[in-house]
Amino acid sequence: QVTLRESGPALVKPTQTLTLTCTFSGFSFSSSGMCVSWVRQPPGKALEWLALIHWDDDKYYNTSLKTRLTISKDTSKNQVVLTMTNMDPVDTATYFCARIQAYCPSGVCYYYYGLDVWGQGTTVTVSS
Amino acid sequence: DIQMTQSPSSLSASVGDRVSITCRASQDVDNYLAWYQQKPGKVPKLLIYGASTLQSGVPSRFSASGSGTDFTLSISSLQPEDVATYYCQKYNSAPFTFGPGTKVDIK
Repeated sequence: QVTLRESGPALVKPTQTLTLTCTFSGFSFSSSGMCVSWVRQPPGKALEWLALIHWDDDKYYNTSLKTRLTISKDTSKNQVVLTMTNMDPVDTATYFCARIQAYCPSGVCYYYYGLDVWGQGTTVTVSS
Repeated sequence: DIQMTQSPSSLSASVGDRVSITCRASQDVDNYLAWYQQKPGKVPKLLIYGASTLQSGVPSRFSASGSGTDFTLSISSLQPEDVATYYCQKYNSAPFTFGPGTKVDIK
């Protein structure tokens, strides 16, 4: 059974850096094709895709947020970490991690299924 | 980046009605289009991938079609448990942009 669980601070102050961890089970980055993505949702608003990391450490970011985001992985711990710098009250949201699978022959990636398994989300409030 | 739009932004229909939601991509995404259902206070759930393939366990009243830039999600007979916001998402390549969502409720 594939599960993901987000963890991190519930409250951060403006200008601080947010660090979130996604801990997963049921799959491994040792297996080719496994990828994890982060998505957020401000209260009452739409889903916003943030970042993606591949099993082979390729990384992709939301274009408008890429200067503030860093995604990394710890294969031995089955974890993905997202950091977001210079937090602002508008970054108040529920942050989700989710799995997506890929097939990347010859440097071009084809993604399967969409985000097929999601964590429960962790709510982050940015306030002084 | 490819932009995703959805219409309508909300709809209200009676139990048993057929409802349809449209998603449009600003550029060709082939069939790399997913639909998610998010019930109030819950985690998004994958409904459809590959533009038209039902995820395992999704009721057959849900269907979807489209390719390229224009996609449709349909519910053949709306049920009370279908009250939710529905999002499309392109995943042909990063960034995996979501549409703004369509809120569906019961009249």
